[in-house]
Amino acid sequence: DAKTTQPPSMDCAEGRAANLPCNHSTISGNEYVYWYRQIHSQGPQYIIHGLKNNETNEMASLIITEDRKSSTLILPHATLRDTAVYYCIVRPPMDSNYQLIWGAGTKLIIKP
Amino acid sequence: DTAVSQTPKYLVTQMGNDKSIKCEQNLGHDTMYWYKQDSKKFLKIMFSYNNKELIINETVPNRFSPKSPDKAHLNLHINSLELGDSAVYFCASSRRGRVYNEQFFGPGTRLTVL
Repeated sequence: DAKTTQPPSMDCAEGRAANLPCNHSTISGNEYVYWYRQIHSQGPQYIIHGLKNNETNEMASLIITEDRKSSTLILPHATLRDTAVYYCIVRPPMDSNYQLIWGAGTKLIIKP
Repeated sequence: DTAVSQTPKYLVTQMGNDKSIKCEQNLGHDTMYWYKQDSKKFLKIMFSYNNKELIINETVPNRFSPKSPDKAHLNLHINSLELGDSAVYFCASSRRGRVYNEQFFGPGTRLTVL
C-alpha cells in the first residue's frame, strides 16, 4: 500500500498558484518525498523530490514540514497544461531495487 | 529524440493469443521497469531489470515475462492473454546508484483483450 494520502481532486484557476497537499505521517528518516504527474493519456513525469529542506526547480516548489509528516507541492502559476493527476510518493535513497508504490494521486483541474 | 519509447501504442487482440510489447531507452540508464495501469488508474510495478538481471519480480502471473536483449531494451512478453490483462502498460528507466531515483516513463501501450 502507498505510504501517502492525497485529496482525490482539486480545482485551481489559471494563473493562480496550485497547492497540492500530501500526508506521509509514517515516513522514515531516510525516505525521500517524490512528486510525479500524469497528464491524460501520457506516461508519468517526474516533477521534484526532497528530503528535509524545501526545494524549487523550474516546474514547482516542494515544501516539507519540519516533522516531515506532510508536504505541499506548489505550482506557482498554473496553466491549463498543468491539468493532470499528481502523485506523491515516498521511498528510501540509494536503492534502485525499491519499487515506487503509487497511490491514487490528486486529480488537479486548472480552470480558465 | 524520444527518451523512452514503446511499441505498439495500441494493441487489440483475442483471448489466448501471445503478444509482445517493446521498450527502448536512449538515456544510458541501467535499470528499466514495466508498470501496469488498470482501469482504476492505479500504477503497479510488474518488473524491473538492472544490468540484465531481474531485480524485482512482483506477484504477476508467469504468463508475463520480461526479456532484456541489452541494457537499452526491456520487452514484455505475454502468453495466453486473458480479459483481465486489458490495461495500459508503461515502460520506464532510471539510473541506479543515485541518491534520487528519477524514473523516465514511456508513452504507454494500451492493450485490449477481446
